[in-house]
Amino acid sequence: EVQLVESGGGLVQPGGSLRLSCAASGFSFSNYWMNWVRQAPGKGLEWVANIKEDGSDKYYVDSVKGRFTISRDNAKNSLLLQMNSLRAEDTAVYYCASVGWSASTVRDYWGQGTLVTVSS
Amino acid sequence: EIVMTQSPATLSVSPGERATLSCRASQSVGSNLAWYQQKPGQAPRLLIYGASTRATGIPGRFSGSGSGTEFSLTISSLQSEDFAVYYCQQYKSWPYTFGPGTKVDIK
Repeated sequence: EVQLVESGGGLVQPGGSLRLSCAASGFSFSNYWMNWVRQAPGKGLEWVANIKEDGSDKYYVDSVKGRFTISRDNAKNSLLLQMNSLRAEDTAVYYCASVGWSASTVRDYWGQGTLVTVSS
Repeated sequence: EIVMTQSPATLSVSPGERATLSCRASQSVGSNLAWYQQKPGQAPRLLIYGASTRATGIPGRFSGSGSGTEFSLTISSLQSEDFAVYYCQQYKSWPYTFGPGTKVDIK
């Protein structure tokens, strides 16, 4: 059974830091790009960052560039998101996701999400 | 950045009726478009990729069409479990962007 389990969310003051983790199991984690997608309360979805299989390529949405760092540990099947200089507008549920397809398979794997609240 | 728009914002439909949702991209994304369904308190679920290919396990009543900048998702006969929010998303170029969503609710 595929599982993605996020942790590390919580309440943090503006300007503070949090580190989100995602533990993956049940699929070949090291073979796929991984992603962080967020959703502010009552709002739509935003693709925040993604990282190549070996960690050599990373992309970030402009609003988090220079503040967030995505990384992965393939030996531990884990995905990380280091979030610094947090702002109120970063308040959201953060999902870890692996979504993709080939000629023979489709991956649509999401965690349950972890809530990050940035507030004083 | 490619901006995605969706219409209508809310669609009220009776069970058994047909629903058509629209999505527009600010520039061509070819067929690099996906549709997701999201229910309250749940993660999104991939329905369609490549603009028209159903993901694994997605019922045949869901169909996608379009290319370039204009896309649609059709639910041929709405079932109770289909009442949800639907998002389109382009993956032609980074940053991948979602539309604001269409909420399909019960008429």
